[in-house]
Amino acid sequence: SQTIHQWPATLVQPVGSPLSLECTVEGTSNPNLYWYRQAAGRGLQLLFYSVGIGQISSEVPQNLSASRPQDRQFILSSKKLLLSDSGFYLCAWSRDRRNQPQHFGDGTRLSIL
Amino acid sequence: GQQVMQIPQYQHVQEGEDFTTYCNSSTTLSNIQWYKQRPGGHPVFLIQLVKSGEVKKQKRLTFQFGEAKKNSSLHITATQTTDVGTYFCAGGGSQGNLIFGKGTKLSVKP
Repeated sequence: SQTIHQWPATLVQPVGSPLSLECTVEGTSNPNLYWYRQAAGRGLQLLFYSVGIGQISSEVPQNLSASRPQDRQFILSSKKLLLSDSGFYLCAWSRDRRNQPQHFGDGTRLSIL
Repeated sequence: GQQVMQIPQYQHVQEGEDFTTYCNSSTTLSNIQWYKQRPGGHPVFLIQLVKSGEVKKQKRLTFQFGEAKKNSSLHITATQTTDVGTYFCAGGGSQGNLIFGKGTKLSVKP
């Protein structure tokens, strides 16, 4: 069966510090991968998605970036965090066909001080 | 771009009452999916509807996809405290992507 791992679960960072969140998927190959952000009590904002190694599509321009160095690894990064980057970050995967269900990791709660 | 509108934003019910959340799109959707996010948790896929007019049931949950494939609903019969959470619909867009609604947050008073 497929599993998705996302870490860390909680992170507190000062403004201006860098960020690296990692997500890995097991049990499937060539998945579509996604990064979402969810503000408290709000909906899901798609940040990035990837259909293959090195292929990243950005949905929202901001100071975040994503990379996919391996087939089942997806990384969310920032060089300098802003207060507005606080939120709940979710990684998800789906099979590499259109409109497939997405399966989410447990998420990372990021607080910027 | 394509959008999926979901109403209501919040719903407070007494345990045992029914609950319904609605999704609407201005464009035809290839499919509709429903997810549940428990408080403090992550969204979990519930079901996918593909055919026009399709109705599916999961115990007390009934999911419908409109005839024009532009709207959908989730109905919960006789809510329980375990139903608490936020319910998201997600429509299949023309680019093969999923378009999430903003969710309906359900609270159930025992």
